[in-house]
Amino acid sequence: EAGVAQSPRYKIIEKRQSVAFWCNPISGHATLYWYQQILGQGPKLLIQFQNNGVVDDSQLPKDRFSAERLKGVDSTLKIQPAKLEDSAVYLCASSLVTGAETQYFGPGTRLLVL
Amino acid sequence: TQLLEQSPQFLSIQEGENLTVYCNSSSVFSSLQWYRQEPGEGPVLLVTVVTGGEVKKLKRLTFQFGDARKDSSLHITAAQPGDTGLYLCAGGGAGKSTFGDGTTLTVKP
Repeated sequence: EAGVAQSPRYKIIEKRQSVAFWCNPISGHATLYWYQQILGQGPKLLIQFQNNGVVDDSQLPKDRFSAERLKGVDSTLKIQPAKLEDSAVYLCASSLVTGAETQYFGPGTRLLVL
Repeated sequence: TQLLEQSPQFLSIQEGENLTVYCNSSSVFSSLQWYRQEPGEGPVLLVTVVTGGEVKKLKRLTFQFGDARKDSSLHITAAQPGDTGLYLCAGGGAGKSTFGDGTTLTVKP
């Protein structure tokens, strides 16, 4: 079974530029999560989708971050404009259903904002 | 907001030693997960505990969920260099998971 795929694996941009990350969850998984993991910290949930609907985006900085999950499969997370403090690893995870105990994580995208 | 505090933040030991790391909260969780994350990778689930007082063993790893379902511990017996990584606990409830900041474990050969 293929795992959660993410791309790109690494991205370096200058502040005020825009960037987008892509995630392909495990086939059949209804729930998709985007997390931000700053160095030395645990993952922080940015947004949670159930199929193509948003379940929780309470911690998403909506003035600069946006995410979509068209057709309930792949998802993209965008930052525009980026700030220095956005430097982090962006993790995508999926689970079979919302509330499922097991989340399967992708390898993450490492973003460095200069 | 439910917070999970993990301790110690860093732990460096010699191969063969035993260790325990802790995950504490003031909130009750319906389940608690332990993940291990290696550099450059996403977290990988080790175990889920759901019943207060529950103890689960995974080879040399022993996980315990507190009676009140507010805290948990992970004990590793005879640590090996392959155990090196970031150990994260995550509390679940109402379809959400909250992660602690993890314990970074280094096992020296």
